[in-house]
Amino acid sequence: QTVVTQEPSLTVSPGGTVTLTCASSTGAVTSGCYPNWFQQKPGQAPRALIYSTSNKHSWTPARFSGSLLGGKAALTLSGVQPEDEAEYYCLLYCGGAYVFGTGTKVTVL
Amino acid sequence: QVQLVQSGAEVKKPGASVKVSCKASGYTFTSYYMHWVRQAPGQGLEYMGIINLSGGVTHYAQKFRGRVTMTSDTSTSTVYMELSSLISEDTAVYYCARELPNSLDFDYWGQGTLVTVSS
Repeated sequence: QTVVTQEPSLTVSPGGTVTLTCASSTGAVTSGCYPNWFQQKPGQAPRALIYSTSNKHSWTPARFSGSLLGGKAALTLSGVQPEDEAEYYCLLYCGGAYVFGTGTKVTVL
Repeated sequence: QVQLVQSGAEVKKPGASVKVSCKASGYTFTSYYMHWVRQAPGQGLEYMGIINLSGGVTHYAQKFRGRVTMTSDTSTSTVYMELSSLISEDTAVYYCARELPNSLDFDYWGQGTLVTVSS
């Protein structure tokens, strides 16, 4: 059973930069795992931000970017805004199974 | 515009079944897959399975095999997820999310349906 691990929580100042990572228990995350990133605010459904590692949706703010970093998937928020405070989840499709990450709570302070 | 509208909250007793619906609009229904994801109170997202809306082929996460059934009605553009033999740990918000085949992109999500399992 694959476990996908994210940082439990991160704090960033307004205007700052923060990088969230997504690691798989089975080994390095590659583009073949098609990493997705979602933002979820309290009481709301998840909102898609990034798919296939680095592709953005039309509604994804330019300050969000996806990449691979040191064998993990990564989501970088540059020029963080107060409205970016939320829970962020990655999703990997490695070896034919979809697995969500444990989630990262981002606090803007 | 694309919309996925789910059915309302349900309260069920242990051992019962629940059937949640997800009505799609604003796009060609059969051109997409639909996934189901759940989230227990205060917990993370958990993947449940997928249905190919062109043909009805399904694939369920191992944890739910034998207990979950996903179906669709193309005449009403509605997808259904039925979960049987409910236990208290099935209390969660259940979401549908669409995917363009082989894009691995869960772009639009339903608003969620709270299912509470309690005696």
